[in-house]
Amino acid sequence: GAGVSQSPSNKVTEKGKDVELRCDPISGHTALYWYRQRLGQGLEFLIYFQGNSAPDKSGLPSDRFSAERTGESVSTLTIQRTQQEDSAVYLCASSPDRGALGGYTFGSGTRLTVV
Amino acid sequence: AQSVTQPDIHITVSEGASLELRCNYSYGATPYLFWYVQSPGQGLQLLLKYFSGDTLVQGIKGFEAEFKRSQSSFNLRKPSVHWSDAAEYFCAVGVYNFNKFYFGSGTKLNVKP
Repeated sequence: GAGVSQSPSNKVTEKGKDVELRCDPISGHTALYWYRQRLGQGLEFLIYFQGNSAPDKSGLPSDRFSAERTGESVSTLTIQRTQQEDSAVYLCASSPDRGALGGYTFGSGTRLTVV
Repeated sequence: AQSVTQPDIHITVSEGASLELRCNYSYGATPYLFWYVQSPGQGLQLLLKYFSGDTLVQGIKGFEAEFKRSQSSFNLRKPSVHWSDAAEYFCAVGVYNFNKFYFGSGTKLNVKP
């Protein structure tokens, strides 16, 4: 597509439920990233995918968080047993370059609210 | 460790006035530096980037930024602000082959009529 598409745009869930967030990157972009943006804070790196290489999961805050991506297509970020501190905007970005030298293209994010 | 500091959380300027948003970074080698803008309810949009060469880089929407190695800074400037520039601005440093960016906490810009 023309841009990075994320769904849903908004999600309200009850504490303890699992949620799945979806990211559809720009066609041909080999790199895909997930970031979290808590209210009033900067972006926090979560995970990075590059083609079929093993993902860089170093930013995932706990084992409740996981993400998958098949090849260079859609990615899903799953949060299990959601907690109130998981409330944030989850941003996905894709890049044509390894190492993101070209800069990212961001989606408009999924606003997650855990009540 | 790499870090990015944006010392101004909020800035208010009058429409037509000049603007400078500050960004300082901490990184041992030559960084790859970026400025992004985030309008309410929108994703982040790349304004400009610096990799090497001329330390004054031009971006979209009339923005420019200057890399000053001696000061570890990459401040964003615009000579005349428009009301549509009201948004949040993020500075970021990219670390080659580490496959991630480090973002500052952002500066919210308000523009007075």
